[in-house]
Amino acid sequence: GQNIDQPTEMTATEGAIVQINCTYQTSGFNGLFWYQQHAGEAPTFLSYNVLDGLEEKGRFSSFLSRSKGYSYLLLKELQMKDSASYLCAVRDNYGQNFVFGPGTRLSVLP
Amino acid sequence: ETGVTQSPTHLIKTRGQQVTLRCSSQSGHNTVSWYQQALGQGPQFIFQYYREEENGRGNFPPRFSGLQFPNYSSELNVNALELDDSALYLCASSFEGFSTVEQYFGPGTRLTVT
Repeated sequence: GQNIDQPTEMTATEGAIVQINCTYQTSGFNGLFWYQQHAGEAPTFLSYNVLDGLEEKGRFSSFLSRSKGYSYLLLKELQMKDSASYLCAVRDNYGQNFVFGPGTRLSVLP
Repeated sequence: ETGVTQSPTHLIKTRGQQVTLRCSSQSGHNTVSWYQQALGQGPQFIFQYYREEENGRGNFPPRFSGLQFPNYSSELNVNALELDDSALYLCASSFEGFSTVEQYFGPGTRLTVT
């Protein structure tokens, strides 16, 4: 089966660092993606991991461990505009089928 | 370079009716995927079209069907609408069917079934 788990909600303070975890069990694996989605808007691409390790992209970093079925998204120097839902998605081996997690709603407080 | 567009933005239908949603892919992209996103949940994969052929399908009944046209735009058709079909419908375009890293989402169509 296909299953992706993320925390439902998280709260952090402006300027802080937050880590959003994602665990997955899928029938195939061809990459893990993180998307940001503001309320009422479409998801936008943040990061992609296909090999184990850390990918850094400005204030955002994403880590993958394929053996553990685990990823995290790290957001540094949090800003109010980072308040959004963060979606973890795994692309399986069958074409471009993306399996999305339920999303983590992050609230950044002043 | 134009982004992914969808129409209409919002739609209200009655149970039992049929609906067609449209998506224009980003310039240069030949693959379109459709997703259903219920409120407070992650998107659920409906199906994907690559070069006018269905290239994968999620766990949705046959009353969800689609088309892709030579210009790579796409339609999602839903027959015999049910109340649970109320959701945000997203399309995403990408280049190539098997090697693409990133897909670009459109703004979505909010469908309400009453």
